[in-house]
Amino acid sequence: GAVVSQHPSWVICKSGTSVKIECRSLDFQATTMFWYRQFPKQSLMLMATSNEGSKATYEQGVEKDKFLINHASLTLSTLTVTSAHPEDSSFYICSARDRGINEKLFFGSGTQLSVL
Amino acid sequence: KQEVTQIPAALSVPEGENLVLNCSFTDSAIYNLQWFRQDPGKGLTSLLLIQSSQREQTSGRLNASLDKSSGRSTLYIAASQPGDSATYLCAVSGAGSYQLTFGKGTKLSVIP
Repeated sequence: GAVVSQHPSWVICKSGTSVKIECRSLDFQATTMFWYRQFPKQSLMLMATSNEGSKATYEQGVEKDKFLINHASLTLSTLTVTSAHPEDSSFYICSARDRGINEKLFFGSGTQLSVL
Repeated sequence: KQEVTQIPAALSVPEGENLVLNCSFTDSAIYNLQWFRQDPGKGLTSLLLIQSSQREQTSGRLNASLDKSSGRSTLYIAASQPGDSATYLCAVSGAGSYQLTFGKGTKLSVIP
């Protein structure tokens, strides 16, 4: 089955630094990738939709200058949390849509970010 | 705005018991509904996907039903096992969109 690889699985950083999270579709081409954030005991919330070769579409309330998304190829999207603060500590998950299988979304294993 | 509610928030059952997880959504104009499993600190595993035109899907011990008009879905797990312990998430996608709206999940514990 289709695999989405997300790295790193966890990261601890100091406040004010930037962190990059990668999401790769290993055996399929993903024209669209999604980034979600999940706080403890809360539901997954969509942050942004990333389309290959174009600018990401951000959900209301998500700062595009803080959460930089790049989807430069059909197999890679990156999320960079710039100038991270403790309130950015969360679980981030990406998903990718296989353009050969219409509705199916495949999820990465997630990244636990802790900002000290 | 679509809202997805899952009841109960947590459930503990003895091994071997059959159980039902509930999901409701406010806007019946959905494209599909999916059930996911999430293990602690891990990503999501898709369990079942039901198209809006379908009423149920089955995979092994899992059966998911969909009543779009009433905005409800259930996930039935037969003969539960300790390995089924996880958080189960329900998510719907709107018509013409692949974006998902998730519920908060039901945390299931199956006691050996």
